[in-house]
Amino acid sequence: DQQVKQNSPSLSVQEGRISILNCDYTNSMFDYFLWYKKYPAEGPTFLISISSIKDKNEDGRFTVFLNKSAKHLSLHIVPSQPGDSAVYFCAASALNTGTASKLTFGTGTRLQVTL
Amino acid sequence: GAVVSQHPSRVICKSGTSVKIECRSLDFQATTMFWYRQFPKKSLMLMATSNEGSKATYEQGVEKDKFLINHASLTLSTLTVTSAHPEDSSFYICSARVGTINQPQHFGDGTRLSIL
Repeated sequence: DQQVKQNSPSLSVQEGRISILNCDYTNSMFDYFLWYKKYPAEGPTFLISISSIKDKNEDGRFTVFLNKSAKHLSLHIVPSQPGDSAVYFCAASALNTGTASKLTFGTGTRLQVTL
Repeated sequence: GAVVSQHPSRVICKSGTSVKIECRSLDFQATTMFWYRQFPKKSLMLMATSNEGSKATYEQGVEKDKFLINHASLTLSTLTVTSAHPEDSSFYICSARVGTINQPQHFGDGTRLSIL
């Protein structure tokens, strides 16, 4: 049962344009969401997070949007740069259940930013 | 800040060998660390939550006696894959959380384990 889904396994975007990565979840107990970036043979690197009390969080070129009613979040990268090429994982946790911030990950989206 | 170091980065060994993987938080103390496993082209799957000074909490389907976890200090957790077999070959990644539960987990660079 995949509780966090990233339905696009890959995405190609031209340098300078906007990259939009999507994530859907099914567990209504999730209240904290994170995006991680991962290069091959390395561990994931934390990018940005959002709590369910917000619908938007911005950090530089990265913005995360949360639509709780649709159980959907997205990561926007503007402008996209070649160094952004990596696999992006969406993750969710249910802080209110006291599960010590256990993370459930999506399957990842491979972003390629072309010149 | 928030650097997590994992060692070794790659292990190749014979079937039946036990392999220990270390996870260290270099610039912070972590009362809780997490161990994940990733199969090719799959998501990261949580194996267990490692708590300093107490027993680890294992996820459903993960064998405690197969994957031994020790969290002996606030900066070190170890995962030992006992009597490893080819089906244990995978990418193992640890993470540690800085501070309270609403803080992100920071990951090590993973260990590629290959059992021949």
